[in-house]
Amino acid sequence: GAVVSQHPSRVICKSGTSVKIECRSLDFQATTMFWYRQFPKQSLMLMATSNEGSKATYEQGVEKDKFLINHASLTLSTLTVTSAHPEDSSFYICSAALVGQVGYEQYFGPGTRLTVT
Amino acid sequence: RKEVEQDPGPFNVPEGATVAFNCTYSNSASQSFFWYRQDCRKEPKLLMSVYSSGNEDGRFTAQLNRASQYISLLIRDSKLSDSATYLCVVVPWNQGGKLIFGQGTELSVKP
Repeated sequence: GAVVSQHPSRVICKSGTSVKIECRSLDFQATTMFWYRQFPKQSLMLMATSNEGSKATYEQGVEKDKFLINHASLTLSTLTVTSAHPEDSSFYICSAALVGQVGYEQYFGPGTRLTVT
Repeated sequence: RKEVEQDPGPFNVPEGATVAFNCTYSNSASQSFFWYRQDCRKEPKLLMSVYSSGNEDGRFTAQLNRASQYISLLIRDSKLSDSATYLCVVVPWNQGGKLIFGQGTELSVKP
C-alpha cells in the first residue's frame, strides 16, 4: 500500500517558537494532502486541505497565519506552527490522497506529537 | 448537532463476543463511508469501506442505510487484538475529498 511519512514524530518546544512538520508521500504522487489535529480523547479535526502549487484551504476557526502550510511538490507538504503556545500541544496527522482519487484511498502519516512548554 | 455521531463507549467485552457499533451522519449529500481503526497514540488505519449493499470482510460486517443516514460495524468472535478506537468516517460529495470523522468508539476486548 501507499506510504506516508511524517517528521518529526515527536517534538517538544518552548512557547513562542515555531515548529515545522513535514509530510511526505513516499511511493506515490499526492496532489492533495490534508492536515488534521487530534486532542486527547477527541476525534481528528481537519485543519486544512493542501493542494500542490496553490494556497491551502483552511477550515473555519483555523488561523492561516498561525498554521502555515506549504505544498511545494507532489510528494511534500509542510505545516509550520508559528509562535506555538501550550494550547497548540496536540497530535498532528497528515494524509495524502492518490492522484485522481480524492475522497478515496487517503493514506495517513504516523503523526507528530507536539508538546509546547 | 455533530456531523458524524457514534456510540460514546467504551465497550468492554470478553474474547469471542459479538459487538456492534453505530454511527449516524447529518449530511444527506454524503457519498462515501468508511470505518477506520485507531490504536492508542497512532494514526488511523482504514478498516473497511461501507457500501449500500452491505459488505463483509472476515469477522467484520459493515452496513449502510442511506434513508436513515445510519452506518454500522459488526465484529464477530472478537479478539484481544481488536481492542482499539473505531472511527466512523463520512465523505461529503462536494467538499474536495474531505473526511469527516466521528468521535470514535473505544473497544476493549478482555481475556
